[in-house]
Amino acid sequence: QKEVEQNSGPLSVPEGAIASLNCTYSDRGSQSFFWYRQYSGKSPELIMSIYSNGDKEDGRFTAQLNKASQYVSLLIRDSQPSDSATYLCAVNAGNNRKLIWGLGTSLGVNP
Amino acid sequence: GAVVSQHPSWVICKSGTSVKIECRSLDFQATTMFWYRQFPKQSLMLMATSNEGSKATYEQGVEKDKFLINHASLTLSTLTVTSAHPEDSSFYICSARDYGGRLGYTFGSGTRLTVV
Repeated sequence: QKEVEQNSGPLSVPEGAIASLNCTYSDRGSQSFFWYRQYSGKSPELIMSIYSNGDKEDGRFTAQLNKASQYVSLLIRDSQPSDSATYLCAVNAGNNRKLIWGLGTSLGVNP
Repeated sequence: GAVVSQHPSWVICKSGTSVKIECRSLDFQATTMFWYRQFPKQSLMLMATSNEGSKATYEQGVEKDKFLINHASLTLSTLTVTSAHPEDSSFYICSARDYGGRLGYTFGSGTRLTVV
């Protein structure tokens, strides 16, 4: 069974710090990896997508992918209180267009 | 960017009635639509996947006769919850994917369904 695992948290960081979110997946055939942010009562919004090994940076966000270790992470630099949300890791295993979701990590950024 | 409009944003209905939720892709062709349900403090649960012009594929444990999905055009998909019961109360979210996935997965804003 294909699985995506995340620490549920809550993860608490002070404002201005780096928040590090981790995700592991079981299917070695996975090809596309996504980080979504979800505020309470809202639908998920895409933060980052990554498809190849290495780092991908977009503003304060950096996604890191290591397919050999089946590991994908999200770093949030200069964390802001507005970053407080649940972060969902999702993986697409190629021809199967479905996304496999982790349970999410709750992040709290303290002013 | 790609936008999916989902309506209604919230609905309250009486037990035994049916509710229809619409998702429209405004600026792209939604070849595939995914319908999710999310209970409080839980992750997204995929209910079904539909491709334009084809019957939806339901996930195990999801009643296809209760959750009717129509995807008759490349810009519109609907989910109808038939004979709703209080246990169907949940947050329903659609997600659209264009052909080839170039635009990724675009989510609607969600529908909060409360069955009383």
